[in-house]
This record gives sequence, C-alpha cells and structure tokens, in this order.
Amino acid sequence: DGGITQSPKYLFRKEGQNVTLSCEQNLNHDAMYWYRQDPGQGLRLIYYSQIVNDFQKGDIAEGYSVSREKKESFPLTVTSAQKNPTAFYLCASSSPPAREQFFGPGTRLTVL
Amino acid sequence: LAKTTQPISMDSYEGQEVNITCSHNNIATNDYITWYQQFPSQGPRFIIQGYKTKVTNEVASLFIPADRKSSTLSLPRVSLSDTAVYYCLVGPDTGRRALTFGSGTRLQVQP
Repeated sequence: DGGITQSPKYLFRKEGQNVTLSCEQNLNHDAMYWYRQDPGQGLRLIYYSQIVNDFQKGDIAEGYSVSREKKESFPLTVTSAQKNPTAFYLCASSSPPAREQFFGPGTRLTVL
Repeated sequence: LAKTTQPISMDSYEGQEVNITCSHNNIATNDYITWYQQFPSQGPRFIIQGYKTKVTNEVASLFIPADRKSSTLSLPRVSLSDTAVYYCLVGPDTGRRALTFGSGTRLQVQP
C-alpha cells in the first residue's frame, strides 16, 4: 500500500536533548512538508522541500532542522534550541498537479 | 494566501445536514478553496476542492457563490463518525504549496 509513515507514534525526550522524527513516503511525491500542531490549534509549517537536496524554512523553523537526501525521506530533528517542543508533529507529501497533500499519522512528542 | 474565517464550533445530530461556511474576502483570481477533515490524533484528510459554483463528491458538496468571497461545505446526513475538525483553506495550486491551516471548525455530532 502506498502512503506516508511516521515513527515513532509517541516520543519522550528529556530537556536539552535532540531528537529526530522519521517521515517516509512511497508515493513517489516530489514535495514533503513538516507541520506542528498544538492542542486546539491549526497546523503551522516548520519546513518544506520541493525536491531532493533542497528545503525551505516555514513559519516556525527556529529550533528545528531537516534533510532531504532521498526523495522518499524527510526527517525532522528537534534540537535543544526549540524552547517549547512538546506538540503533535505531522508530515505530508504532495506532487503536482495533484490538488491535495497526504498526511502521515503524526508523532506526538513530549518533553519531560 | 487569503485569510479565512470560519466558526469555531458547531453541533448537530445524526442524520441532519450540516453546513459550514468559510469567509475569504481577499480570495485571488487563481485561488482554489479546499476543505480538510481532521480526527483527533490523526493527520488531516482532503475532503473536497472547488473554484466556483458547486462541486460534489461521495462525501460532501462545496457551494461557492459567484463573488467567491465565501464558501459552504455541506455534509449530508451526518453520523457520529463525522465528529472532527474541518479546515477551510484558500490558495493557488495546493498540490505543490505548503498549506496554511487556521483553527478550523470543530463539529460535534450527537446521537
């Protein structure tokens, strides 16, 4: 089955530690995105990538980093510089001329 | 991207038709109107997209008046499983661009 996978589903981290969230897609999509969602809020864009080896900052990129070495993979690292990292993280992908983005199941990160 | 305004929450009962309206006064000529649905602890899911007049698919209808400054998502005969948050997005070429999600409309369907 084609789709987007994110792992792990739940992640706990101690303050001051970096952590990497995985996002893999087998849809052969060119573009991939990372969003953050806080309770009761909409989604905010962290980073996006339209093509391999290229990515752009979104609205809230500070404290995060990404890489796009392969078309199917777009991992997100939450660094210790992110002041309030506890949130629900969603990865998505798309490919024009498609009109929609396909979202993964999300990773819930909790900083202890 | 055009700013959108939609109700924070709505309540309904099973079997009723639900209409969620979204205002987008600054919609541009090349903007489409797209609706997503999100269940708790899941990623959003595309429902429907339109440019003008009416679009219908197996789950919903989208009504867009001639001036395109608003749109209405219509869910026929809702069930408990339609309880979710519904997001209205306005922008061009949404298949290739990063999306901007507002807070959405939280629909609660009662038995």
